[in-house]
Amino acid sequence: QVQLVESGGGVVQPGRSLRLSCTASGFTFSSFGMLWVRQAPGKGLEWVAIISSDGGEKYYADSVKGRFTISRDNSKNTLYLQMNSLRAEDTAVYYCAKDGDPKFDYWGQGTLVTVSS
Amino acid sequence: DIVMTQTPLSSPVTLGQPASISCRSSQSLVHSNGNTYLSWLQQRPGQPPRLLIYKISNRFSGVPDRFSGSGAGTDFTLKISRVEAEDVGVYYCMQATHFPWTFGQGTKVEIK
Repeated sequence: QVQLVESGGGVVQPGRSLRLSCTASGFTFSSFGMLWVRQAPGKGLEWVAIISSDGGEKYYADSVKGRFTISRDNSKNTLYLQMNSLRAEDTAVYYCAKDGDPKFDYWGQGTLVTVSS
Repeated sequence: DIVMTQTPLSSPVTLGQPASISCRSSQSLVHSNGNTYLSWLQQRPGQPPRLLIYKISNRFSGVPDRFSGSGAGTDFTLKISRVEAEDVGVYYCMQATHFPWTFGQGTKVEIK
């Protein structure tokens, strides 16, 4: 069955960096786009970024453009989110999801990122 | 950016009774390929979101048939024919037709 497992969350100071990972199994990872969605505590969902199956196309939300980088390693079935220049407003649970057919068909359990001094 | 507006934001429902959630987009969600990428997600308390409905009206695998989606263009609706206790949670509409992809604010369904 499809499994997506996020890792790499934690507490980080404002202005610092953090890299999230999402390890996939149960499907042919290299055939599907992947994305990140975040949810601030007690708030709704916000789409963050998406990457195509071969990594050639990437799109970002304006709120993270220039600070976050989405990437993938198809040999390791792993999706990444490099987060630089972190701000308090980046505090959220970060979910990875599969851009299948249909879109958003599978989600991970999420990893919590807390940006605080 | 496309704004997705859900109503109501809270929906207290009696068990066994129907529930309906409306979602309106600020512009048409019809993609150039003819598809309308409007989905509905359910988030139970303490859980990640789960896909319920995709492309307006298609139920995802394993979703009970008491859930149905309808609409076109800019106006969409999610209906639960008979609410069960396990349906408690927050429901989001979302569009994946235009970047950036956007979500509605969420509608909390709770039992009266």
